[in-house]
Amino acid sequence: GQNIDQPTEMTATEGAIVQINCTYQTSGFNGLFWYQQHAGEAPTFLSYNVLDGLEEKGRFSSFLSRSKGYSYLLLKELQMKDSASYLCAVINSNYQLIWGAGTKLIIKP
Amino acid sequence: DGGITQSPKYLFRKEGQNVTLSCEQNLNHDAMYWYRQDPGQGLRLIYYSQIVNDFQKGDIAEGYSVSREKKESFPLTVTSAQKNPTAFYLCASSTIAGATDTQYFGPGTRLTVL
Repeated sequence: GQNIDQPTEMTATEGAIVQINCTYQTSGFNGLFWYQQHAGEAPTFLSYNVLDGLEEKGRFSSFLSRSKGYSYLLLKELQMKDSASYLCAVINSNYQLIWGAGTKLIIKP
Repeated sequence: DGGITQSPKYLFRKEGQNVTLSCEQNLNHDAMYWYRQDPGQGLRLIYYSQIVNDFQKGDIAEGYSVSREKKESFPLTVTSAQKNPTAFYLCASSTIAGATDTQYFGPGTRLTVL
């Protein structure tokens, strides 16, 4: 089967750094997306990784290791508005997009 | 402003009734998608369309139907055959149908069956 694992929930403090992990077992790999979703709202695109390494975009960075089937999303200088769910999604060899259940991030003052 | 609109935001339906969820985009995207989101689960693909007058079943198409008569519009009908229709429904679009293209989402419709 195809599987994407993310922690269900994480808590962090305003101003700190948090790393959200995503591990995947899929039939092939053609890229990985991270989306942010505030409660009751639409997911919004954060990043796309297809090659190994770190992609930095402001306070957010995304890392990929294809050999380990692993990615993480790094959020720096956390703000209260970063409280949301973070969705990991992988494109498999059939170009199907497989979604993880998401990680709910709670930011405390 | 370009974007995707879904209406209504909240929808209540009695058991046994069909209901249609609207999705409109003015991004000039060719591909459109319908997903269902349930608590504790990843997004699940219901239907997708790569071009006008063509659409394909996703992973959970049973009990749903769609049409794509215009490039801008991709309505989803939840029929009475759908056994557990209460969920959050998300519509998305992308420039091309390949999964490597970023999908942009509408605000969603929360359907509750009473």
